[in-house]
Amino acid sequence: NAGVTQTPKFQVLKTGQSMTLQCAQDMNHNSMYWYRQDPGMGLRLIYYSASEGTTDKGEVPNGYNVSRLNKREFSLRLESAAPSQTSVYFCASRPGQKNIQYFGAGTRLSVL
Amino acid sequence: QKEVEQNSGPLSVPEGAIASLNCTYSDRVSQSFFWYRQYSGKSPELIMSIYSNGDKEDGRFTAQLNKASQYVSLLIRDSQPSDSATYLCALYSSASKIIFGSGTRLSIRP
Repeated sequence: NAGVTQTPKFQVLKTGQSMTLQCAQDMNHNSMYWYRQDPGMGLRLIYYSASEGTTDKGEVPNGYNVSRLNKREFSLRLESAAPSQTSVYFCASRPGQKNIQYFGAGTRLSVL
Repeated sequence: QKEVEQNSGPLSVPEGAIASLNCTYSDRVSQSFFWYRQYSGKSPELIMSIYSNGDKEDGRFTAQLNKASQYVSLLIRDSQPSDSATYLCALYSSASKIIFGSGTRLSIRP
């Protein structure tokens, strides 16, 4: 049972490049989340998806887009990367009947 | 005002003592609260959840919730060096939204 899988684990981009961070869960969870974590800032919610077919903005959505492709997959896209988006990105999922989240291992992104 | 506030620390506690971590929140509607532990370079892992006023104990950990005063705390008894980590407070806000505080860095000194 893999849980929540994020790819890639590491990525270096140049300013203005685009990329998609992938997240997949095999626990049949309804809700999925994308967070970013900067030093001393804790986890800040970028976007979330309460269920398949729905997405909502979190605390810091600017510069990002998301797609809930199906129940398993929730991707995060940076259309034009900026140095301010250098961060560690975590994907999480949550079953519908409980409010406990399960996290992936994270993607460490550097934008030069 | 941030929805979830934590003292960033670092909080330094001698081995064997009680570590006390605090968190305040602004959303009175929140019903579910969580404490996550995060080791450096790792993803957060859930250690406690609490939904009702009062105390909830699990081994060396006790979570305390006071909805009237809008705070939640975590006590770690008999602190061990392996407890050194960042502790994140989180709450279930509404419509599946879960918000985290900025975390408190805890250091257990031998």
